[in-house]
Amino acid sequence: LAKTTQPISMDSYEGQEVNITCSHNNIATNDYITWYQQFPSQGPRFIIQGYKTKVTNEVASLFIPADRKSSTLSLPRVSLSDTAVYYCLLHGNTGGFKTIFGAGTRLFVKA
Amino acid sequence: DSGVTQTPKHLITATGQRVTLRCSPRSGDLSVYWYQQSLDQGLQFLIHYYNGEERAKGNILERFSAQQFPDLHSELNLSSLELGDSALYFCASSVEVGSRGTDTQYFGPGTRLTVL
Repeated sequence: LAKTTQPISMDSYEGQEVNITCSHNNIATNDYITWYQQFPSQGPRFIIQGYKTKVTNEVASLFIPADRKSSTLSLPRVSLSDTAVYYCLLHGNTGGFKTIFGAGTRLFVKA
Repeated sequence: DSGVTQTPKHLITATGQRVTLRCSPRSGDLSVYWYQQSLDQGLQFLIHYYNGEERAKGNILERFSAQQFPDLHSELNLSSLELGDSALYFCASSVEVGSRGTDTQYFGPGTRLTVL
């Protein structure tokens, strides 16, 4: 099954744009790329999902290049409350459906 | 609030015991997923049910089992508990079978299991 690789941690300051890149070299044709946010002791929360090019919602943007071997989650103007772990995962029916969460990226936003 | 409920919120038990965790999916969701998250670890996929049928298995131990009932709620049974089973157990639900990439999972608040 295709795996994802993300930076273990990132630091930022309030008001800055944060970009978290995820590598997924073995992404399958029918895999979608999904990002979740998780606060301590809470369940993950869906942020955004895409298949190719760019997707934007009220929370974030997701950039996916043509080869789909990576993706970048962009969080505009982060605040202290964006401090959390962000997971990139591939979601699709590849040889039997499974959801593989990577280790995630721990984002720490400072004042 | 995701609409997914899990009970109990906390569970403390001893090694060798058996426990049952319960999950009620969002109204209308047919798929239920179980995950385990140990301290400061990522989420490990355990098992996926769709409309009462097992659809996929992850790294689920033989001591663990699950089922989804006709009313779509699900239970995760953990037996012969070991210290290493202490973790947060999350349930998630989604509308469809999960074979489509656009199927979003909604997570419950989790059950924290402590094995002493």
